[in-house]
Amino acid sequence: AQSVAQPEDQVNVAEGNPLTVKCTYSVSGNPYLFWYVQYPNRGLQFLLKYITGDNLVKGSYGFEAEFNKSQTSFHLKKPSALVSDSALYFCAVRDRAGNNRKLIWGLGTSLAVNP
Amino acid sequence: GAGVSQTPSNKVTEKGKYVELRCDPISGHTALYWYRQSLGQGPEFLIYFQGTGAADDSGLPNDRFFAVRPEGSVSTLKIQRTERGDSAVYLCASSAGTGTYQETQYFGPGTRLLVL
Repeated sequence: AQSVAQPEDQVNVAEGNPLTVKCTYSVSGNPYLFWYVQYPNRGLQFLLKYITGDNLVKGSYGFEAEFNKSQTSFHLKKPSALVSDSALYFCAVRDRAGNNRKLIWGLGTSLAVNP
Repeated sequence: GAGVSQTPSNKVTEKGKYVELRCDPISGHTALYWYRQSLGQGPEFLIYFQGTGAADDSGLPNDRFFAVRPEGSVSTLKIQRTERGDSAVYLCASSAGTGTYQETQYFGPGTRLLVL
């Protein structure tokens, strides 16, 4: 069965410091991996995805994520956090095999960037 | 429109009533997805359409839930005999297609359903 774990309910970081939001996954085959951000009372916004190729993926708003197959991880990173990055972050996965297109989601990590 | 739109933004109904939730995808997107999100949870897949047909409805929780997309654009999620446990935010997403490089899902703002 496919699953996603986001081990931290909340991450706190000071503005200007690097941030990491963790994600690990489990699929039977090879994964497609996604990060989305959710601001209060707004929909989910796509940040970045890993499909194939370079393990380091760059996305919107200066975010990047590194696919690590051996550790089955896809941690989200940003070199210098902004207060405006404070939001709820979701990792999602789908198995490449088969025809299903549904995404399996983690529970989310609340990021608080303190000024 | 520029993004996925959903109406209504909020819906309050009484237990046992019927509700319809509408999703208008990004123009030209052939795939459409419905999820629901309960408080403190990630989105939970319900159903997805490729064109007019439901390609995967495995996430619909029971036969009170039904969705249609008759012309391959707008979709309606229908819930019969609503129960308090149906209260959640219902999210709609669309993607340009389902090929590897087309399948990024773009989400609407959601419909917040409250069943009293």
